[in-house]
Amino acid sequence: GIQVEQSPPDLILQEGANSTLRCNFSDSVNNLQWFHQNPWGQLINLFYIPSGTKQNGRLSATTVATERYSLLYISSSQTTDSGVYFCAVATGGGNKLTFGTGTQLKVEL
Amino acid sequence: DAGVIQSPRHEVTEMGQEVTLRCKPISGHDYLFWYRQTMMRGLELLIYFNNNVPIDDSGMPEDRFSAKMPNASFSTLKIQPSEPRDSAVYFCASSWWGVAQYFGPGTRLLVL
Repeated sequence: GIQVEQSPPDLILQEGANSTLRCNFSDSVNNLQWFHQNPWGQLINLFYIPSGTKQNGRLSATTVATERYSLLYISSSQTTDSGVYFCAVATGGGNKLTFGTGTQLKVEL
Repeated sequence: DAGVIQSPRHEVTEMGQEVTLRCKPISGHDYLFWYRQTMMRGLELLIYFNNNVPIDDSGMPEDRFSAKMPNASFSTLKIQPSEPRDSAVYFCASSWWGVAQYFGPGTRLLVL
């Protein structure tokens, strides 16, 4: 099956700093999503982005499908950004998501 | 919209008992997914439905697990009999046209 690798596995930031999270995948995809799992366990959909660039407030994402990677940018980080960020991809029919192992982010004051 | 609703939020049961988890998807969504999250295996897709029909159940761990979707607004995941290794957080998610998936709050299951 498809392999999804996320880096870095752990990240500690000071509030206000910027960061870039990376997701590499081993095969062509037609579905790629970024999720944030907050410290209470809730999974929140950030972006549906099989290709191209999207922005939502302080967050933006870029997927370069031909090179099999996606990037999630967090600007001016806040403590509420803490949690685990997952990349998930699907091939073929596009509905069976495979999740990466996540990036654990902690934002400190 | 109320989002995806799951019940119960927490369940503690003894080995051998039947467990039923429930999910109400977002109104109008035509796809419903059941996931399991554990420390060892991460997030795994168990089964998904399209228009109430099971499409792919290859992630269901064994015959003790079963899922149904009798109508567009309700689905169940049943474990019978339950075992300690089934302890996990079970998520339900829904989407429209199978694109962006929206997750419920999860059910934390502990089997003693």
